[in-house]
Amino acid sequence: EVQLMESGGGLVQPGGSLRLSCATSGFTFSSSAMSWVRQAPGEGLEWVSAITAGGGTTYYADSVKGRFIISRDNSKNTVYLQMNSLRVEDTATYYCARVPSFFFDFYSNFDYWGQGTLVTVSS
Amino acid sequence: QSVLTQPPSVSAAPGQKVTISCSGSNSNFGRSYVSWYQQLSGAAPKLLIYENDKRPSGIPDRFSASKSATSATLGITGLQTGDEADYYCGAWNTGLSAGVVFGGGTKLTVL
Repeated sequence: EVQLMESGGGLVQPGGSLRLSCATSGFTFSSSAMSWVRQAPGEGLEWVSAITAGGGTTYYADSVKGRFIISRDNSKNTVYLQMNSLRVEDTATYYCARVPSFFFDFYSNFDYWGQGTLVTVSS
Repeated sequence: QSVLTQPPSVSAAPGQKVTISCSGSNSNFGRSYVSWYQQLSGAAPKLLIYENDKRPSGIPDRFSASKSATSATLGITGLQTGDEADYYCGAWNTGLSAGVVFGGGTKLTVL
């Protein structure tokens, strides 16, 4: 059974940092690209970032580029999202999602999702 | 503002059919594949359709989808109260910053 479990969310002040983790099991992690998608309270889905299976290429939404860093540890079956210079508008539930291919491209979709972790940016 | 446009809401009675549209510009629809997600209240999104019209294992054939050059449509037949949820389309965006874009979501109410 494929499982994704996010952790690391919480309350942080504007300008602060937070690192999210997504531990996975039930599939060959090193063969799947991974992604983060967020959802602000009462709002729709917003794609945030993705990383290819080997970790060699990363992608970011314009709204987080230069502030967030995605990485992965294939020996630990875990993907991370380092979030720096956090803003109030980053407040959201952050979902980790699997991309069922090595690359992140035109064919990409998200076939398994975690339950999400809530990040609240507030003073 | 989403690059992909969906109606905010649709409704229909149990047993009926409903369609949800997803309109986009050529930059993301022309070359990319569209996927659809269902999000029940308080739950994580779930993949319903991938690569325009393919259903993952376990998704009933009541759910179907199609795509044209600039729009995609999700269809749900034999509506059940359990289908009441938010539905999102997603597609690759070939703009300056490559990545995935989602529609704003459509709230389906089963009357």
